[in-house]
Amino acid sequence: DTGVSQDPRHKITKRGQNVTFRCDPISEHNRLYWYRQTLGQGPEFLTYFQNEAQLEKSRLLSDRFSAERPKGSFSTLEIQRTEQGDSAMYLCASRPSGQETQYFGPGTRLLVL
Amino acid sequence: TQLLEQSPQFLSIQEGENLTVYCNSSSVFSSLQWYRQEPGEGPVLLVTVVTGGEVKKLKRLTFQFGDARKDSSLHITAAQPGDTGLYLCAGAPGAQKLVFGQGTRLTINP
Repeated sequence: DTGVSQDPRHKITKRGQNVTFRCDPISEHNRLYWYRQTLGQGPEFLTYFQNEAQLEKSRLLSDRFSAERPKGSFSTLEIQRTEQGDSAMYLCASRPSGQETQYFGPGTRLLVL
Repeated sequence: TQLLEQSPQFLSIQEGENLTVYCNSSSVFSSLQWYRQEPGEGPVLLVTVVTGGEVKKLKRLTFQFGDARKDSSLHITAAQPGDTGLYLCAGAPGAQKLVFGQGTRLTINP
């Protein structure tokens, strides 16, 4: 399967703990996006990368959140000192240059207790 | 901020009926995408519309992009239980991040 993959699919953690999620985009896609989706809502943009460069960050991305794409391939999203309000589905998407359509991974569902 | 408003937010109909979902904005988008999302899964792309007035068909689903590229609609003919899901429209302002509508949760009852 050559689609976008995310790991883990589910994560339960206690408030105050750090968590890290991984996204592997479609191999020829140089743009990678992170979104967050809460129950009953559409996804909201968090940040995006063009190759290894992080080009835009949403105001939703507080200083507890950090994202990296060190080699321009996979990306990680880390949340430090998790809060209950961080509970959501975290979605990764990728697209090639010259095309607007984004392809999504299956998401990582985070539950902070 | 370019917002996308979807209506209705919830729709429950009987198998065999037709339905239309709307996606409206006051802003112009270079393209709009429609996705379907199952519980616990990521959105799956159904179609991308790019040209004002464009109509695309995907089996029983018909997608239309408004002439002014500010709105779009999804029409399903003879709905089936397998059509049940969350339908999301998304626009790409500036060809970067996607802006999503809040979604239409569709339930098709057998």
